[in-house]
Amino acid sequence: AQTIHQWPVAEIKAVGSPLSLGCTIKGKSSPNLYWYWQATGGTLQQLFYSITVGQVESVVQLNLSASRPKDDQFILSTEKLLLSHSGFYLCAWSLSEQFFGPGTRLTVL
Amino acid sequence: GDSVTQTEGPVTVSESESLIINCTYSATSIAYPNLFWYVRYPGEGLQLLLKVITAGQKGSSRGFEATYNKETTSFHLQKASVQESDSAVYYCALGDWGSNNRIFFGDGTQLVVKP
Repeated sequence: AQTIHQWPVAEIKAVGSPLSLGCTIKGKSSPNLYWYWQATGGTLQQLFYSITVGQVESVVQLNLSASRPKDDQFILSTEKLLLSHSGFYLCAWSLSEQFFGPGTRLTVL
Repeated sequence: GDSVTQTEGPVTVSESESLIINCTYSATSIAYPNLFWYVRYPGEGLQLLLKVITAGQKGSSRGFEATYNKETTSFHLQKASVQESDSAVYYCALGDWGSNNRIFFGDGTQLVVKP
């Protein structure tokens, strides 16, 4: 069975500080991977997707970047957080449908 | 553009009452839209409730049903008799299984079922 793990579960960070969120998929080789973001009360938006190691496509520009250093790992990061980065971040993988991780709650103060 | 609009929540119904959560979509750049309903129960992750990939067909799961209507560009979620355990946030979504497998989500509808 496939499992998807995200870390950390929650994070409180200061404006201007760096950020790194992680996502790992086990039990599925070469998955398509995705990052989503949902502001409080907002719409769930796709940020990035990756279909193979080393390749990431940006969907929405939010002063964030993503990398796929390994087949089963997807990283979301920024060097300088903004207040507007607060929200809920979801990682997902897909076959004919998308399977979501538990998410990371980010609060930027 | 490509987007999804759904009933604004919260929607409050009493147990055993019927439910409909409206969803309409716009798929201007998607050749073969797939439609989904996702659900997030309190304290749990987002999970697929049902999906339909062919226009005119109906999907069903856990007593919920939704029919993919291409003429009205709708995918309304219905249940004949809700239970308290159905309380959750429901998201309608439009999928594009083209080059990047994009999914467009509605804003979500919080359903509160009163005992």
